[in-house]
Amino acid sequence: ELKVEQNPLFLSMQEGKNYTIYCNYSTTSDRLYWYRQDPGKSLESLFVLLSNGAVKQEGRLMASLDTKARLSTLHITAAVHDLSATYFCAVDSNYQLIWGAGTKLIIKP
Amino acid sequence: DSGVTQTPKHLITATGQRVTLRCSPRSGDLSVYWYQQSLDQGLQFLIQYYNGEERAKGNILERFSAQQFPDLHSELNLSSLELGDSALYFCASSGARGLGELFFGEGSRLTVL
Repeated sequence: ELKVEQNPLFLSMQEGKNYTIYCNYSTTSDRLYWYRQDPGKSLESLFVLLSNGAVKQEGRLMASLDTKARLSTLHITAAVHDLSATYFCAVDSNYQLIWGAGTKLIIKP
Repeated sequence: DSGVTQTPKHLITATGQRVTLRCSPRSGDLSVYWYQQSLDQGLQFLIQYYNGEERAKGNILERFSAQQFPDLHSELNLSSLELGDSALYFCASSGARGLGELFFGEGSRLTVL
């Protein structure tokens, strides 16, 4: 059974700092997704990573995928308050998305 | 706007009642997924339909049922409601057969009193 683990589950940081959220999964998969959710709101797709070594960047967020290590990272550069949200990773397995528990990110001014 | 429409946005009802949540997927998407998210919790996958047929089932209670109609909209029926059923219920759609990026609706917030 595929398991997806995110860490940390909670992260409080200051504006201007850099940090990384990790997403580990337990079996082979070549597709990984990152989503953002604001409190009480819907989930918004951030990145779709479809192959080993894939790297995608949007503004202050950069996501990468290492399928051999079964690891994806979401790196935040020079964090700003607007990036406060919960971030989920999800891994494709047999036509199902297996979700991580989410990382709640709070960025303090 | 993801293109996925869910109704109602908010629903308040009493224990023991039955409610129906409705979802219209993005134009052209054949797969519909239902998820439950309790307060400050992660996403619990309930069920998936592809082109009218049940494709996968997750942690869906026997009191819950769903279907996808020929026009591809889907309904999630929740019966004999309990306090613990209070949650955000999300519908998502995707174009590929269970693969690919999901597009989420705004959710239906159910409160059971």
